[in-house]
Amino acid sequence: DIQMTQSPSSLSASVGDRVTITCRASQTIYTYLNWYQQKLGQAPKLLIYAASSLQSGVPSRFSASGSETDFTLTISSLQPEDFATYYCQQTYSGRTFGQGTKVDIK
Amino acid sequence: QVRLQESGPGLVKPSQTLSLTCTVSGGSVNSGDYYWNWIRQQPGQGLEWIGYIYSSGATYYNPSLQSQVSISADTSKNHFSLRLPSVTAADTALYFCARGRGWYNALDIWGQGTMVTVSS
Repeated sequence: DIQMTQSPSSLSASVGDRVTITCRASQTIYTYLNWYQQKLGQAPKLLIYAASSLQSGVPSRFSASGSETDFTLTISSLQPEDFATYYCQQTYSGRTFGQGTKVDIK
Repeated sequence: QVRLQESGPGLVKPSQTLSLTCTVSGGSVNSGDYYWNWIRQQPGQGLEWIGYIYSSGATYYNPSLQSQVSISADTSKNHFSLRLPSVTAADTALYFCARGRGWYNALDIWGQGTMVTVSS
């Protein structure tokens, strides 16, 4: 099974900060990597697919990059509505989520 | 606009079978390049992918659950279902259905989720 490890598990940030979340796969997954945002009490929302493609309707302050085993999600200027938990998911072999990164207010 | 809605019992007794249905509106479970997924989230925990049924009817399950879980589709009712037998307290979770799109099976549309508690 492919394991996905996110770091950090949580972070505190302020509105306007640049935030970066990392996701590492236990073996190469090429670009079979998606990113989701989940707010408390809600279903997850797709942000990024295929490692770097922005889902329609998602603000351009969200971006992502990476390939093979190392991936990053970046929020260029954190907004109040961005405080949430973020998950990466690999879809190369099976489907595995990372453990999540909670972004809260500093 | 495609919408997904989960339904099923909120309480299941240990050792019984958990059965949930996801009704699809605005789209069809047997057309297009779509994967119809089940995902769960135990209280306070992360997301766990359970499995999917492809629009062709092919299924694929999480290896850690494969021996137990089954997903099927009813094209006449335009819904797909999850069946998990012999549940334990560890199966208590918020269960989501979601549509996976294209080659990367990106989960672009989600149901709101339904909470299932396993308890006697």
